[in-house]
Amino acid sequence: GAGVSQSPSNKVTEKGKDVELRCDPISGHTALYWYRQSLGQGLEFLIYFQGNSAPDKSGLPSDRFSAERTGGSVSTLTIQRTQQEDSAVYLCASSPRTATYEQYFGPGTRLTVT
Amino acid sequence: SQKIEQNSEALNIQEGKTATLTCNYTNYSPAYLQWYRQDPGRGPVFLLLIRENEKEKRKERLKVTFDTTLKQSLFHITASQPADSATYLCAFSGGSYIPTFGRGTSLIVHP
Repeated sequence: GAGVSQSPSNKVTEKGKDVELRCDPISGHTALYWYRQSLGQGLEFLIYFQGNSAPDKSGLPSDRFSAERTGGSVSTLTIQRTQQEDSAVYLCASSPRTATYEQYFGPGTRLTVT
Repeated sequence: SQKIEQNSEALNIQEGKTATLTCNYTNYSPAYLQWYRQDPGRGPVFLLLIRENEKEKRKERLKVTFDTTLKQSLFHITASQPADSATYLCAFSGGSYIPTFGRGTSLIVHP
């Protein structure tokens, strides 16, 4: 079946602009995660959605970052007033309720802030 | 705080040999430990999950062990092939569904 998809695959933006990154999880997966991965670094957790529960936003690095998940499916990560240090690969993952500790990742969005 | 450590140096081995990658953690034992493969420019791919009360898990040429005394998980690839070359990430999940990932170890299998 279809895996996790993310768009765009690449995004170049100017410092100070807002960007929106999209994630389409695997159909039926109840959990959705956003991570950030910088060159040579591990995955940095950003935000976690589970069903209709309030999201866990504990990993968001600043109030410029926000995310929403509509209808328990598609999610959008928004970064306002982008800074150069926001440049990274943003990865989305989803998990099924029956295998909550297994994560299925999308290909990522490479964000470059110039 | 909990830390998870993987060898930052690349592991170079010859085709056909067994590759062994190490994941160490501090403090409390995670309830679940996962291993992922990541190729350049791609997202991680889930490989195996092992629970705290399991000693070993196998899947085809892959084997994962979990030693709560040593606070260590070993990931083995038997009869390694050049196509196994990638970065391998371990991650643990404790009391929440939010895993902590290691930085990964690069494996290079030479033909």
